[in-house]
Amino acid sequence: EDQVTQSPEALRLQEGESSSLNCSYTVSGLRGLFWYRQDPGKGPEFLFTLYSAGEEKEKERLKATLTKKESFLHITAPKPEDSATYLCAVYSGGSNYKLTFGKGTLLTVNP
Amino acid sequence: EAGVAQSPRYKIIEKRQSVAFWCNPISGHATLYWYQQILGQGPKLLIQFQNNGVVDDSQLPKDRFSAERLKGVDSTLKIQPAKLEDSAVYLCASSPPVLLRRNSPLHFGNGTRLTVT
Repeated sequence: EDQVTQSPEALRLQEGESSSLNCSYTVSGLRGLFWYRQDPGKGPEFLFTLYSAGEEKEKERLKATLTKKESFLHITAPKPEDSATYLCAVYSGGSNYKLTFGKGTLLTVNP
Repeated sequence: EAGVAQSPRYKIIEKRQSVAFWCNPISGHATLYWYQQILGQGPKLLIQFQNNGVVDDSQLPKDRFSAERLKGVDSTLKIQPAKLEDSAVYLCASSPPVLLRRNSPLHFGNGTRLTVT
């Protein structure tokens, strides 16, 4: 069974203070790792897909990286509008296209 | 493109009552999912449809939960009777055809927040 563990559970940063969120996973064969952002009262919003170790994706102040055991979401010089819950999910293949999610990291960026 | 539509946005019921949620996926998305998200947790898959057929309902509490997707488009999730532990946000998601999934895996609606008292 696929497992996804995210840390920390919550992170509070000052505006401009860079940091990283961690997503470690246990799957039989990773076919894709996904990062989503979820604002209060909203559904998760897709950010990135990573497919192989060493791959990196960037979007504004966010950069996602992938190793064989974990993924990091790096946030550079965050702004208050980056405050949200960040969810990590994995897809391990098979006939069903099914994503398994972690519990998420609640990020708060204070002005 | 229009997003995944869900209704209602909020629902409050007493335990042992029944409730139903509705979802309309993005046009052309054959795969539809219902996820349950308990406060402070990540989404947990309840049931997955491919067109109007069920492909995974292994985590659906079948003694009280049921879902259908008639005509392979809209879907309804029902809980009968509800328990206190069913209080959660119920998210519907849909997925595009395989060749388009690389940069567009799952699209979520904004969910229905259920409170069981």
